[in-house]
Amino acid sequence: SQTIHQWPATLVQPVGSPLSLECTVEGTSNPNLYWYRQAAGRGLQLLFYSVGIGQISSEVPQNLSASRPQDRQFILSSKKLLLSDSGFYLCAWSVTGAGTDTQYFGPGTRLTVL
Amino acid sequence: AQSVAQPEDQVNVAEGNPLTVKCTYSVSGNPYLFWYVQYPNRGLQFLLKYITGDNLVKGSYGFEAEFNKSQTSFHLKKPSALVSDSALYFCAVRDPRGNDYKLSFGAGTTVTVRA
Repeated sequence: SQTIHQWPATLVQPVGSPLSLECTVEGTSNPNLYWYRQAAGRGLQLLFYSVGIGQISSEVPQNLSASRPQDRQFILSSKKLLLSDSGFYLCAWSVTGAGTDTQYFGPGTRLTVL
Repeated sequence: AQSVAQPEDQVNVAEGNPLTVKCTYSVSGNPYLFWYVQYPNRGLQFLLKYITGDNLVKGSYGFEAEFNKSQTSFHLKKPSALVSDSALYFCAVRDPRGNDYKLSFGAGTTVTVRA
Protein backbone atom coordinates (compact mmCIF):
# COMPACT_ATOMS: atom_id res chain seq x y z
CA SER A 1 0.00 0.00 0.00
CA GLN A 2 1.02 3.58 -0.51
CA THR A 3 2.02 5.94 2.26
CA ILE A 4 3.11 9.55 2.32
CA HIS A 5 5.37 11.11 4.93
CA GLN A 6 6.03 14.72 5.78
CA TRP A 7 8.52 16.17 8.20
CA PRO A 8 8.87 17.89 10.40
CA ALA A 9 5.36 17.83 11.86
CA THR A 10 5.77 21.27 13.43
CA LEU A 11 8.33 24.00 12.95
CA VAL A 12 8.88 27.41 14.51
CA GLN A 13 11.28 29.62 12.61
CA PRO A 14 12.37 33.26 12.86
CA VAL A 15 11.72 35.70 10.06
CA GLY A 16 14.55 35.66 7.54
CA SER A 17 15.64 32.10 8.27
CA PRO A 18 15.73 29.35 5.61
CA LEU A 19 13.18 26.59 5.26
CA SER A 20 13.23 23.02 4.07
CA LEU A 21 10.17 20.77 4.26
CA GLU A 22 10.36 17.24 2.96
CA CYS A 23 7.73 14.91 1.56
CA THR A 24 8.26 11.30 0.51
CA VAL A 25 5.91 8.75 -0.95
CA GLU A 26 6.24 4.99 -0.65
CA GLY A 27 4.59 2.19 -2.57
CA THR A 28 4.10 3.84 -5.96
CA SER A 29 6.20 4.94 -8.91
CA ASN A 30 6.23 8.18 -10.89
CA PRO A 31 3.57 9.90 -8.83
CA ASN A 32 2.37 13.42 -9.43
CA LEU A 33 3.33 15.44 -6.37
CA TYR A 34 1.80 18.60 -4.96
CA TRP A 35 2.52 21.21 -2.28
CA TYR A 36 -0.41 23.12 -0.77
CA ARG A 37 -0.62 25.77 1.92
CA GLN A 38 -3.62 26.12 4.18
CA ALA A 39 -4.03 29.33 6.14
CA ALA A 40 -6.19 29.60 9.25
CA GLY A 41 -7.66 26.11 8.82
CA ARG A 42 -9.56 27.01 5.69
CA GLY A 43 -8.99 26.87 1.97
CA LEU A 44 -6.14 25.20 0.19
CA GLN A 45 -3.73 27.10 -2.00
CA LEU A 46 -1.78 25.03 -4.52
CA LEU A 47 1.84 26.17 -4.46
CA PHE A 48 3.70 23.72 -6.70
CA TYR A 49 3.11 20.49 -8.54
CA SER A 50 5.39 18.06 -10.29
CA VAL A 51 4.71 15.35 -12.85
CA GLY A 52 8.25 13.97 -12.84
CA ILE A 53 11.81 14.36 -11.59
CA GLY A 54 13.03 17.91 -12.15
CA GLN A 55 9.66 19.03 -13.50
CA ILE A 56 8.17 21.69 -11.25
CA SER A 57 5.26 23.99 -11.97
CA SER A 58 4.74 27.04 -9.79
CA GLU A 59 1.25 28.32 -9.16
CA VAL A 60 1.92 31.42 -7.11
CA PRO A 61 4.89 33.81 -7.30
CA GLN A 62 6.45 34.03 -3.86
CA ASN A 63 9.62 33.42 -1.94
CA LEU A 64 9.13 29.66 -1.88
CA SER A 65 10.61 27.10 -4.25
CA ALA A 66 10.22 23.38 -4.77
CA SER A 67 12.48 20.62 -5.99
CA ARG A 68 12.07 16.96 -6.84
CA PRO A 69 15.49 15.35 -6.61
CA GLN A 70 14.11 11.80 -6.67
CA ASP A 71 11.00 10.17 -8.08
CA ARG A 72 9.18 10.02 -4.75
CA GLN A 73 10.70 12.99 -2.94
CA PHE A 74 9.38 16.53 -3.02
CA ILE A 75 11.02 19.37 -1.12
CA LEU A 76 9.67 22.83 -0.34
CA SER A 77 12.27 25.49 0.40
CA SER A 78 12.77 29.13 1.15
CA LYS A 79 15.93 31.18 1.51
CA LYS A 80 14.32 33.79 3.79
CA LEU A 81 11.01 33.22 5.53
CA LEU A 82 8.38 35.92 5.85
CA LEU A 83 5.71 36.23 8.52
CA SER A 84 3.14 35.53 5.81
CA ASP A 85 4.70 32.10 5.19
CA SER A 86 3.12 30.80 8.39
CA GLY A 87 0.53 28.13 7.78
CA PHE A 88 -0.17 24.44 7.43
CA TYR A 89 1.74 22.87 4.55
CA LEU A 90 0.34 19.78 2.92
CA CYS A 91 1.97 17.45 0.45
CA ALA A 92 -0.13 15.21 -1.77
CA TRP A 93 0.38 12.57 -4.45
CA SER A 94 -1.68 11.12 -7.26
CA VAL A 95 -1.22 8.63 -10.07
CA THR A 96 -2.50 9.52 -13.51
CA GLY A 97 -5.00 7.22 -15.13
CA ALA A 98 -8.70 6.62 -15.49
CA GLY A 99 -10.25 6.74 -12.05
CA THR A 100 -6.94 7.19 -10.33
CA ASP A 101 -6.66 10.96 -10.29
CA THR A 102 -7.42 11.03 -6.61
CA GLN A 103 -4.97 13.05 -4.57
CA TYR A 104 -3.85 11.58 -1.26
CA PHE A 105 -2.53 13.89 1.39
CA GLY A 106 0.21 13.67 3.95
CA PRO A 107 -0.18 14.58 7.63
CA GLY A 108 1.04 18.14 7.11
CA THR A 109 3.64 20.46 8.62
CA ARG A 110 2.56 23.32 10.87
CA LEU A 111 4.95 26.25 10.23
CA THR A 112 5.00 29.28 12.49
CA VAL A 113 7.20 32.18 11.50
CA LEU A 114 7.93 34.61 14.33
CA ALA B 1 -11.48 26.81 -16.19
CA GLN B 2 -12.73 24.75 -13.26
CA SER B 3 -14.07 25.80 -9.89
CA VAL B 4 -16.24 24.66 -7.01
CA ALA B 5 -18.40 26.54 -4.54
CA GLN B 6 -19.37 25.44 -1.07
CA PRO B 7 -22.12 27.90 -0.20
CA GLU B 8 -22.19 27.17 3.52
CA ASP B 9 -19.30 28.02 5.81
CA GLN B 10 -20.89 26.04 8.63
CA VAL B 11 -23.43 23.27 9.01
CA ASN B 12 -24.82 22.34 12.41
CA VAL B 13 -26.86 19.21 12.99
CA ALA B 14 -27.91 17.05 15.91
CA GLU B 15 -26.51 13.57 16.24
CA GLY B 16 -28.72 11.06 14.48
CA ASN B 17 -30.12 13.60 12.04
CA PRO B 18 -29.33 13.63 8.32
CA LEU B 19 -26.28 15.61 7.26
CA THR B 20 -25.93 17.41 3.93
CA VAL B 21 -22.94 19.45 2.80
CA LYS B 22 -23.51 21.33 -0.44
CA CYS B 23 -21.18 21.68 -3.40
CA THR B 24 -21.67 23.13 -6.87
CA TYR B 25 -19.10 23.03 -9.61
CA SER B 26 -18.18 24.74 -12.84
CA VAL B 27 -16.27 22.90 -15.53
CA SER B 28 -16.55 22.85 -19.29
CA GLY B 29 -16.76 19.11 -19.80
CA ASN B 30 -17.70 16.14 -17.66
CA PRO B 31 -16.15 16.62 -14.24
CA TYR B 32 -14.23 14.45 -11.85
CA LEU B 33 -15.59 15.32 -8.39
CA PHE B 34 -14.17 14.56 -4.96
CA TRP B 35 -14.97 14.97 -1.28
CA TYR B 36 -12.36 15.15 1.45
CA VAL B 37 -12.58 15.50 5.23
CA GLN B 38 -10.05 17.18 7.49
CA TYR B 39 -9.81 16.81 11.25
CA PRO B 40 -7.94 19.46 13.27
CA ASN B 41 -4.20 19.58 12.57
CA ARG B 42 -4.42 16.63 10.19
CA GLY B 43 -4.10 16.15 6.46
CA LEU B 44 -7.11 15.74 4.20
CA GLN B 45 -8.66 12.29 4.02
CA PHE B 46 -10.30 11.12 0.81
CA LEU B 47 -13.99 10.23 1.25
CA LEU B 48 -15.35 9.51 -2.21
CA LYS B 49 -15.26 10.49 -5.86
CA TYR B 50 -17.39 10.59 -8.96
CA ILE B 51 -15.71 9.78 -12.25
CA THR B 52 -18.46 8.25 -14.35
CA GLY B 53 -21.39 5.86 -14.07
CA ASP B 54 -23.94 5.75 -11.27
CA ASN B 55 -24.81 9.23 -10.04
CA LEU B 56 -24.96 8.04 -6.45
CA VAL B 57 -21.51 7.39 -5.07
CA LYS B 58 -20.89 5.68 -1.77
CA GLY B 59 -17.76 6.31 0.22
CA SER B 60 -16.04 5.92 3.56
CA TYR B 61 -17.66 6.25 7.00
CA GLY B 62 -21.21 5.95 5.65
CA PHE B 63 -21.02 9.02 3.44
CA GLU B 64 -22.50 9.24 -0.03
CA ALA B 65 -22.81 11.92 -2.67
CA GLU B 66 -25.10 12.45 -5.62
CA PHE B 67 -23.88 13.83 -8.90
CA ASN B 68 -26.51 16.05 -10.54
CA LYS B 69 -25.39 17.25 -13.94
CA SER B 70 -28.37 19.50 -14.60
CA GLN B 71 -27.83 21.34 -11.32
CA THR B 72 -24.03 21.05 -11.49
CA SER B 73 -24.04 19.82 -7.92
CA PHE B 74 -22.31 17.12 -5.92
CA HIS B 75 -23.78 17.28 -2.41
CA LEU B 76 -22.34 15.10 0.34
CA LYS B 77 -24.83 13.27 2.54
CA LYS B 78 -24.98 11.01 5.53
CA PRO B 79 -28.31 9.61 6.72
CA SER B 80 -27.46 9.70 10.42
CA ALA B 81 -24.69 12.01 11.63
CA LEU B 82 -22.31 11.16 14.45
CA VAL B 83 -20.48 13.53 16.79
CA SER B 84 -17.26 12.15 15.31
CA ASP B 85 -18.30 13.51 11.89
CA SER B 86 -17.55 17.01 13.18
CA ALA B 87 -14.77 18.23 10.89
CA LEU B 88 -13.94 20.43 7.90
CA TYR B 89 -15.19 19.12 4.56
CA PHE B 90 -13.82 20.01 1.14
CA CYS B 91 -15.30 19.48 -2.29
CA ALA B 92 -12.94 19.41 -5.28
CA VAL B 93 -13.27 19.23 -9.06
CA ARG B 94 -11.04 18.40 -11.97
CA ASP B 95 -11.63 18.77 -15.68
CA PRO B 96 -10.26 15.46 -17.05
CA ARG B 97 -9.51 17.05 -20.39
CA GLY B 98 -6.76 19.06 -18.75
CA ASN B 99 -3.23 17.73 -18.66
CA ASP B 100 -2.06 19.29 -15.43
CA TYR B 101 -3.80 16.97 -12.95
CA LYS B 102 -4.72 19.86 -10.68
CA LEU B 103 -7.77 19.87 -8.44
CA SER B 104 -9.75 22.98 -7.61
CA PHE B 105 -10.93 22.95 -4.01
CA GLY B 106 -13.85 24.72 -2.40
CA ALA B 107 -13.34 26.95 0.62
CA GLY B 108 -14.54 24.24 2.96
CA THR B 109 -17.56 23.69 5.19
CA THR B 110 -17.22 23.20 8.93
CA VAL B 111 -19.61 20.54 10.17
CA THR B 112 -20.56 20.46 13.84
CA VAL B 113 -22.63 17.55 15.11
CA ARG B 114 -24.00 18.14 18.59
CA ALA B 115 -24.78 15.31 20.96
